[in-house]
Amino acid sequence: AQSVTQLDSHVSVSEGTPVLLRCNYSSSYSPSLFWYVQHPNKGLQLLLKYTSAATLVKGINGFEAEFKKSETSFHLTKPSAHMSDAAEYFCVVTLTDSWGKLQFGAGTQVVVTP
Amino acid sequence: EPEVTQTPSHQVTQMGQEVILRCVPISNHLYFYWYRQILGQKVEFLVSFYNNEISEKSEIFDDQFSVERPDGSNFTLKIRSTKLEDSAMYFCASSGKGFTEAFFGQGTRLTVV
Repeated sequence: AQSVTQLDSHVSVSEGTPVLLRCNYSSSYSPSLFWYVQHPNKGLQLLLKYTSAATLVKGINGFEAEFKKSETSFHLTKPSAHMSDAAEYFCVVTLTDSWGKLQFGAGTQVVVTP
Repeated sequence: EPEVTQTPSHQVTQMGQEVILRCVPISNHLYFYWYRQILGQKVEFLVSFYNNEISEKSEIFDDQFSVERPDGSNFTLKIRSTKLEDSAMYFCASSGKGFTEAFFGQGTRLTVV
């Protein structure tokens, strides 16, 4: 079985400062990992994905994440937060033999202050 | 850019009534999914659908739920007799051949009163 834990339910950052959203996963097999973002009244948008290629993954809007197998982590970072980054972020895992059955983390609400 | 669209955005229904949530997946996609998020809880997998049949379903997806792709473009989720605990945001998603990511709709907020 696989699962994903987002270590922070809320993160507050100042505009222009770095963002770190933490995610740990557990999986018996080789996982695929994703970060999705949800802005208010919008659908879930894919930020980036890891599917067993490069461990450092770059996504949209300046976000990146690093897959660390030894730490079972897939933390999301951005060097400089923008007001438009205020949203809810979900770390998601799926097994390679169960395509589409995504396991979501509880989400991290990001607040960006001027 | 292609997108998954869901209608309605908000549905209010009385307990015991049937409700149908509608989704138009991305046109060349082959795999279709429903997820739901009860307020304050995680997004949960309900069902996946491929080649006109259910390929996987969760324990939540009991006999009260059904899915259908009636006309080759729409993908629907039916709840036969709604309960208060069915109140949630329901997300439709689709993916293409060889799954690399799932594309989600904006969700339908179902409120059962």
